[in-house]
Amino acid sequence: GAGVSQSPRYKVAKRGQDVALRCDPISGHVSLFWYQQALGQGPEFLTYFQNEAQLDKSGLPSDRFFAERPEGSVSTLKIQRTQQEDSAVYLCASSYVRVAGPYEQYFGPGTRLTVT
Amino acid sequence: ELKVEQNPLFLSMQEGKNYTIYCNYSTTSDRLYWYRQDPGKSLESLFVLLSNGAVKQEGRLMASLDTKARLSTLHITAAVHDLSATYFCAVDIRGSQGNLIFGKGTKLSVKP
Repeated sequence: GAGVSQSPRYKVAKRGQDVALRCDPISGHVSLFWYQQALGQGPEFLTYFQNEAQLDKSGLPSDRFFAERPEGSVSTLKIQRTQQEDSAVYLCASSYVRVAGPYEQYFGPGTRLTVT
Repeated sequence: ELKVEQNPLFLSMQEGKNYTIYCNYSTTSDRLYWYRQDPGKSLESLFVLLSNGAVKQEGRLMASLDTKARLSTLHITAAVHDLSATYFCAVDIRGSQGNLIFGKGTKLSVKP
């Protein structure tokens, strides 16, 4: 079946521009995560949704970052007034609700954001 | 502060050799994950380890978990070039909704 998809795959933004990154999770996956991966580093958690509810946004680096999932499926990560330090790969992952058992997150291909 | 530390961060191996990557974590965790990432690609799940003493094997890779020592290992047997990639371990914090804390990754290069 279809995996997690993200668009665009690459985005170049001038400093100060707003960007919107889209994530289509696997159908039926209730949980959705956003991660930020800087060059040469491991992914870092940004935010978590269960259906349409944003239950954890503790990893968002500033109030310029905003995420939504209004209908409990597709999610959008928006970055306002982009800065050079926002340059990274943004990964989306989805899963079933965390319960006892294997529980795996499935990652999308990522969006590589470059701020010039 | 929660930490997940991998070592080594860089590993250059010859084909046919064996080696082990180590992953230490600093807090109680329910699950330990190993992922593979090829350049420019996303994360591919390799193993999910759920309990103390868990061992899983797939091809030339074997992962184990010691929850008492808060240590996981990824052992590579008779390395081949196709295993060249970056390997990440990640932990899932007990009581969380499942957001993963990743190590910095081990970049493996297997040379003929």
